[in-house]
Formats: sequence, structure tokens, C-alpha cells
Amino acid sequence: KNEVEQSPQNLTAQEGEFITINCSYSVGISALHWLQQHPGGGIVSLFMLSSGKKKHGRLIATINIQEKHSSLHITASHPRDSAVYICAVLAGNKLTFGGGTRVLVKP
Amino acid sequence: NAGVTQTPKFQVLKTGQSMTLQCAQDMNHNSMYWYRQDPGMGLRLIYYSASEGTTDKGEVPNGYNVSRLNKREFSLRLESAAPSQTSVYFCASRQLGNTEAFFGQGTRLTVV
Repeated sequence: KNEVEQSPQNLTAQEGEFITINCSYSVGISALHWLQQHPGGGIVSLFMLSSGKKKHGRLIATINIQEKHSSLHITASHPRDSAVYICAVLAGNKLTFGGGTRVLVKP
Repeated sequence: NAGVTQTPKFQVLKTGQSMTLQCAQDMNHNSMYWYRQDPGMGLRLIYYSASEGTTDKGEVPNGYNVSRLNKREFSLRLESAAPSQTSVYFCASRQLGNTEAFFGQGTRLTVV
């Protein structure tokens, strides 16, 4: 079993829909990252959180440390949100990545 | 700031050839990492360097060597490339503590 599991693997939404991506992990962590990878490959950090909730624009990330679970929500989704979203957990000095969720938002 | 710079962006090697992937960061970060990304596998850690002068194996180190040349630079070497090493390679850096990671643009390597 992978240390970091994401679901779903693929997601298609219509523009304007609310999107939720889930991340579960099995190890003790000090922080969790949500990353975005666009076609063309570049990876950018969206959030780093160790408790509670963070919001940036239409993106909201939550984490429940006791349940070892995090969610990334995209409100009012737009075709430019189409990308792969990756969850990564920080334990010690190592980042361990989930397999990613490929999101396609159709106009 | 350039952030994390990887070179080259693309490379095709023949089986058995050697090459070095270069990575440099200008953010004065202590920790640097090399990952490979394969379809359906996510990013997997090859080697990392927690600080200048130290290197440690990650999840998939076989067939690779690394050098932390100084605080800025962390190179990845393939001594004898194999088709199984066809992948996209990412370098990343971060400061110690609960800090975000910054990624290079990736190197797409094909071994034929």
C-alpha cells in the first residue's frame, strides 16, 4: 500500500462545478503540500498546511491530522484549472508524493 | 530570482551512455532532491541532500549517483543509461523545517 493515496485518479467537471480531491496518508507527518502540474510539466506549490484550513482564491485546502486526510476543493471551476493535482507529505526531511489527480474542466 | 534551474530540458541517450543532469537553486536552500516521474507512479525520490556535504538514498537510487557540489548545486549522474531510466526528472529544493518545496522545470530523458 502506498504511503500517500489520492482519489479520484481522474476527474472531469463542467465549468462552474465544485471539485473535491482527496488525499489519505499512513505515516506521521509534519506538513502536507498540494501541488499543481500543468501540461508541459512544471510543478508549482499551491498550499502547505499542517493543520486546519487554507484558502487562496477559489482553492481551499483542509487537513485532519487525526484522520490522516486532506482535501483540496476548487470552487467555481474553470477550464484553466485543468491540471494534475498532487498531494505530498513531509516527514522528517522527505517529501512523499501521491499519484496525482488529473482534472479536466470542460467549458 | 531564477528559483530552481535544471539542465538540460530534453535528452536522448543510447543504452550504456552516461550523462549528468544539473540542478542549481539561488534561494539559499539547505535541502535538495532528485525525483523521477513515471506514468501512474507519481514522483519517486531518487536521492536527496539534506544539507551541503550530505547525500542520502531515496526510494529508487539504483543506477544513479549524485554530487552536492556546493550549497547551490546538486547533480544527478547516470553512469550507464538503461531504457528503464526513461522518465521525467525533477529537481527540488526547500529550506529546513516546514517549508514549501520549489521545483525545476523537469528534464525529459529518453534512453533508446
